[in-house]
Amino acid sequence: AQSVTQPDIHITVSEGASLELRCNYSYGATPYLFWYVQSPGQGLQLLLKYFSGDTLVQGIKGFEAEFKRSQSSFNLRKPSVHWSDAAEYFCAVTQGDDKIIFGKGTRLHILP
Amino acid sequence: GAGVSQTPSNKVTEKGKYVELRCDPISGHTALYWYRQSLGQGPEFLIYFQGTGAADDSGLPNDRFFAVRPEGSVSTLKIQRTERGDSAVYLCASSLIGGRAVDTQYFGPGTRLTVL
Repeated sequence: AQSVTQPDIHITVSEGASLELRCNYSYGATPYLFWYVQSPGQGLQLLLKYFSGDTLVQGIKGFEAEFKRSQSSFNLRKPSVHWSDAAEYFCAVTQGDDKIIFGKGTRLHILP
Repeated sequence: GAGVSQTPSNKVTEKGKYVELRCDPISGHTALYWYRQSLGQGPEFLIYFQGTGAADDSGLPNDRFFAVRPEGSVSTLKIQRTERGDSAVYLCASSLIGGRAVDTQYFGPGTRLTVL
């Protein structure tokens, strides 16, 4: 069965610093991978997705992620975080093209 | 509408009671999904509708959970004989066509269910 692992439950970075959130997946074939963000009181919002092609994908809000098949990873990056980036981030993979399998999430804290 | 809406935003009930949670998808979206998010966890898939029919209900935990979408738009998730373990945020999402990973799922803000 497909699964997604986000090894960091909490991450704290200073405003303006770079960010990398880790994600590893388990899937036999080429996966479809996603990163979602969830802010308090807000619905899940899609940041970016990878289906095929270029392994570096650009998303909204200045985020990017890189698919590395050899490491079964899809890490999320941002060169300079803003206080408004504080939220919970979920890595996800599809199963059967209808349901999305989510990781447990990483909560991002921003220091002023 | 502008986005997926869910009502109520919060629901507190007593163990053993029946509850209904409503989801209003984005207008024109044929696919609708329900997920459940327990504290400290990511969302877990419950059921997927394509139009009026449930295309995949493999995530429903047991027969106390049931969902309908009679006119292919609004959906209601129904939970009978609620248990404390049902306490969670129930999320609804919709997508334009559905059944394809390329189709972005747009999520509502969720309904927080608390079973006392």
